[in-house]
Order: sequence, then structure tokens, then C-alpha cells
Amino acid sequence: AQTVTQSQPEMSVQEAETVTLSCTYDTSESDYYLFWYKQPPSRQMILVIRQEAYKQQNATENRFSVNFQKAAKSFSLKISDSQLGDAAMYFCAYFNYQLIWGAGTKLIIKP
Amino acid sequence: GAVVSQHPSRVICKSGTSVKIECRSLDFQATTMFWYRQFPKQSLMLMATSNEGSKATYEQGVEKDKFLINHASLTLSTLTVTSAHPEDSSFYICSATTTSEGVYNEQFFGPGTRLTVL
Repeated sequence: AQTVTQSQPEMSVQEAETVTLSCTYDTSESDYYLFWYKQPPSRQMILVIRQEAYKQQNATENRFSVNFQKAAKSFSLKISDSQLGDAAMYFCAYFNYQLIWGAGTKLIIKP
Repeated sequence: GAVVSQHPSRVICKSGTSVKIECRSLDFQATTMFWYRQFPKQSLMLMATSNEGSKATYEQGVEKDKFLINHASLTLSTLTVTSAHPEDSSFYICSATTTSEGVYNEQFFGPGTRLTVL
């Protein structure tokens, strides 16, 4: 069965600095999708970034980028120039036939 | 992105009563909708998947007689918690998507409904 592991329950970073959130997953599939979702205090789930497994190039969205290591089954999220509005729970998720969620990492931004 | 609404955003009910939560896709036709439950400080737990016009598929351990799901149209799915008890108190989130065979289509999430059963 597919699993997603986020080993950091909580991370904190100084405003304007860079932080990396870790995610590993387990699957025997070769085609799948990986996601990072943000859930701010409002609880609205927001898609941050998406990566198709067949693409070798790492996805980027403005200040957000991923380091996708398919062989290592690792999918980390880097947030550059952290802003106060980035404070949220971040969930890593895997999709083949359904979304499998990690436990989440709470990101704290220190002003 | 596409918009999904949920109503109500918060509901408080007495033990033994039933509560209905609506999930609507506002600007697209959702062939598939998902219902999740989220406990405090935890991840999302998929409860069921519903396809328009057919019976919902429930995940293992989810009581289908307790959590009734109806997906009667391409823009509306409802979750009814029947004979609610305090242990049913939780945050319920729906998501909606269109589906294509073998292709991932993004799930758009509703803002969630907080259910409190007294």
C-alpha cells in the first residue's frame, strides 16, 4: 500500500529566510502525482505545487519549489523568502487512484 | 481555480439528531466528489467517494448507514450524519473534481464544516 511520511511535525523559520519541508513516500507504481497542500488557520486546503512523476524537472511556483528524487522516493518543498502568510499546516500528498496524505508539518514563521 | 462551497460552515446539534452538509461545485461540473474527515491537528481521512448518479464508495471502517452520501447532480453532493453522537464531532471537508480515465484532474476543496454534537 502507498504511504506518505512527513517526519517533521513542526518547523519554524525566520521571516525572509528559506525553509525545507521533507516528505517521503512508498509506492510500487511508476506513474503518479505528488502534491504539497497548504492549510492555513482558515482550514481551506490550498494547492501549493504539483509534480508529475514522469517529469524529471522539479516543479516551481514563485517562491515554492520542490526537490523530487524519484529513486529515493523523496519530495521536499522549499519555501524561499518566507512570509508571515506562509504560516500554515503543509501536507504532502500522493495520487495514483486516490489521494494519500501525509500527517502534515506545522510551519511557524518568526517575525 | 474552481470554487467549491460547503454549507453550513459550522453546525451544533444535539445528540441523536441528524445533520446534513452540502457540498457544491459553483463553476464546474463535478463528476466525482470526495468527503473527508479531519481530526484536530491531524491529516485528512477519506470517508467516501461519490460519483454523480451512483452510490458512494465508502472507505473501510466508515459506517455507510451513519454517513449517508448523495450525489444527485453534477454540482451537489450531500453528507448526512444520522443519529449524531459526540464522537462524530469533527471537521468535514469535501472536494470535487472532474474525472478522466487514467488522468489526474485536480481536486478542489471546500472550506470545510465544523460539526459539534452536544
